[in-house]
Amino acid sequence: DAEITQSPRHKITETGRQVTLACHQTWNHNNMFWYRQDLGHGLRLIHYSYGVQDTNKGEVSDGYSVSRSNTEDLPLTLESAASSQTSVYFCASNSGDTNYGYTFGSGTRLTVV
Amino acid sequence: EDQVTQSPEALRLQEGESSSLNCSYTVSGLRGLFWYRQDPGKGPEFLFTLYSAGEEKEKERLKATLTKKESFLHITAPKPEDSATYLCAVSAGTASKLTFGTGTRLQVTL
Repeated sequence: DAEITQSPRHKITETGRQVTLACHQTWNHNNMFWYRQDLGHGLRLIHYSYGVQDTNKGEVSDGYSVSRSNTEDLPLTLESAASSQTSVYFCASNSGDTNYGYTFGSGTRLTVV
Repeated sequence: EDQVTQSPEALRLQEGESSSLNCSYTVSGLRGLFWYRQDPGKGPEFLFTLYSAGEEKEKERLKATLTKKESFLHITAPKPEDSATYLCAVSAGTASKLTFGTGTRLQVTL
């Protein structure tokens, strides 16, 4: 069965370190997205991609970067982790057909200490 | 700027007690309004997409409706397994990206 996988599920890192969160999907979806979820803010868009070599900034992109070298993967990199980036991160994908919404991964809980 | 507001923030129902969740939105050129269910520690799970005012969709005990300014998620005779956070989101224009509300946390008790 097709799926979308995030790793790791949990991570603790220190302030100032570079961190990469992985997202891998086997749906063959062109569109991939990264969101963060915080109490009181809901899900906020960080970066997104509509295909290989395409990346776009979302509403909370400062301090984050992504790259899209193939259809399956959209890794999210925190260049220099800050305590304000402690959050739960969700990756999602879709084909562009809105009848099926997005498929979300199970999330990565990141703690920056 | 697209905006989505959900109410109430939290709702506690007894089993069998029907109710509605509200999602009001401001968007330029609605492409779709989406409802998701999220269980603790998991990613959101897609429920419905609505496209135009007057449209309705149903799934088991859930029915979603859409007007030009808001959407309602009606829950009929809920069961404890319907307990979850329900999220509303919109996409606008030609973009596929979603703007989410903060959700309604529903608890259904016996």
